[in-house]
Amino acid sequence: ETGVTQTPRHLVMGMTNKKSLKCEQHLGHNAMYWYKQSAKKPLELMFVYNFKEQTENNSVPSRFSPECPNSSHLFLHLHTLQPEDSALYLCASSQDAGPNPTYEQYFGPGTRLTVT
Amino acid sequence: TQLLEQSPQFLSIQEGENLTVYCNSSSVFSSLQWYRQEPGEGPVLLVTVVTGGEVKKLKRLTFQFGDARKDSSLHITAAQPGDTGLYLCAATGGGADGLTFGKGTHLIIQP
Repeated sequence: ETGVTQTPRHLVMGMTNKKSLKCEQHLGHNAMYWYKQSAKKPLELMFVYNFKEQTENNSVPSRFSPECPNSSHLFLHLHTLQPEDSALYLCASSQDAGPNPTYEQYFGPGTRLTVT
Repeated sequence: TQLLEQSPQFLSIQEGENLTVYCNSSSVFSSLQWYRQEPGEGPVLLVTVVTGGEVKKLKRLTFQFGDARKDSSLHITAAQPGDTGLYLCAATGGGADGLTFGKGTHLIIQP
């Protein structure tokens, strides 16, 4: 069974739609992350959860709303997005969060989002 | 804002050749990680380097962390088509709980 799964793999939505991205990790980790990967830009950290508590919001617009009901599941709720929000959204998990160099992150395959 | 500059941005070489890609910053990091990402997939961790001057080998891949922990290099010996992908460096220790990524090097190994 793969370590980090994401659904859906592809999503097309209009600017007035509401949708959610789901991430699940089967590694027994305590920290989960959302990243955004756009063309011509570095991977950008969006949110960090450690033991279900949000520890970081990297100045993300409020049209992105994360939810972490438990250490294994992470959601990203989307509403009234803009075309420039089209990107690959990646979920990752690690044993714990923080600057400790041993906290290696494991990524899911991502959700390719297109906003029309 | 801490930046990781990766070079070259694109590299296309023939199978069997050697290559080196670089990751540089003006900041000091606690650790640095290298990932490879293939189309349609998430990044996969290759190695983590922690100590200044550290060298790690993974088969034909050699990773080095600079003495001052501000830069790193990835050297591939006798490249193979299976090495094709986006190589990303990422660092911890910038004050954030997540990783800071470079833009990556797009590597193509032609048969």
